[in-house]
Amino acid sequence: GQQLNQSPQSMFIQEGEDVSMNCTSSSIFNTWLWYKQDPGEGPVLLIALYKAGELTSNGRLTAQFGITRKDSFLNISASIPSDVGIYFCAGGSNYKLTFGKGTLLTVNP
Amino acid sequence: GAGVSQSPRYKVTKRGQDVALRCDPISGHVSLYWYRQALGQGPEFLTYFNYEAQQDKSGLPNDRFSAERPEGSISTLTIQRTEQRDSAMYRCASSLYTGSYEQYFGPGTRLTVT
Repeated sequence: GQQLNQSPQSMFIQEGEDVSMNCTSSSIFNTWLWYKQDPGEGPVLLIALYKAGELTSNGRLTAQFGITRKDSFLNISASIPSDVGIYFCAGGSNYKLTFGKGTLLTVNP
Repeated sequence: GAGVSQSPRYKVTKRGQDVALRCDPISGHVSLYWYRQALGQGPEFLTYFNYEAQQDKSGLPNDRFSAERPEGSISTLTIQRTEQRDSAMYRCASSLYTGSYEQYFGPGTRLTVT
């Protein structure tokens, strides 16, 4: 099935650094969402975006819905050890979500 | 309140056996979704329900897979005559409103077919 192009695949950063990851698609989506998955757990919703060009923040997280509706990015500022995990982007269309392959984030304290 | 729960958390079965995976959505959530997640991949859509009605089953891989939600709450995903390629994490999600993309996921059922 279709999956979104998410990059980078993995990131190794030092605590306190900022992080940026993005997602692109050949298809238009009505909604973009970002999830975080910890080992042994299901994805947890972080941010949902509903309008092209929308910029939304949730604490240290900021995400944007691209103007073309085919891309989105997520920024994490001042990373902390508990930010470790897999971050998934997801595009919403026809009531279902299409996910990227995830970005594995490792934060060195 | 309680999140989405799934049972069993782990299931090992022999090839050819049938399995039933259960999902209990967040109380009051009207839509329920099933996804399958392979290792190193994001979840892939299988099917979804609004209340008890199955709205879209386009993601079910073949006719060995079926799902039901008879009373609009708990749902069961059934895989008949399991094959090794069915091994994966099966995830359930629910949303408060029909058509909402804000879906909340359960912990999943890890299915291993030997």
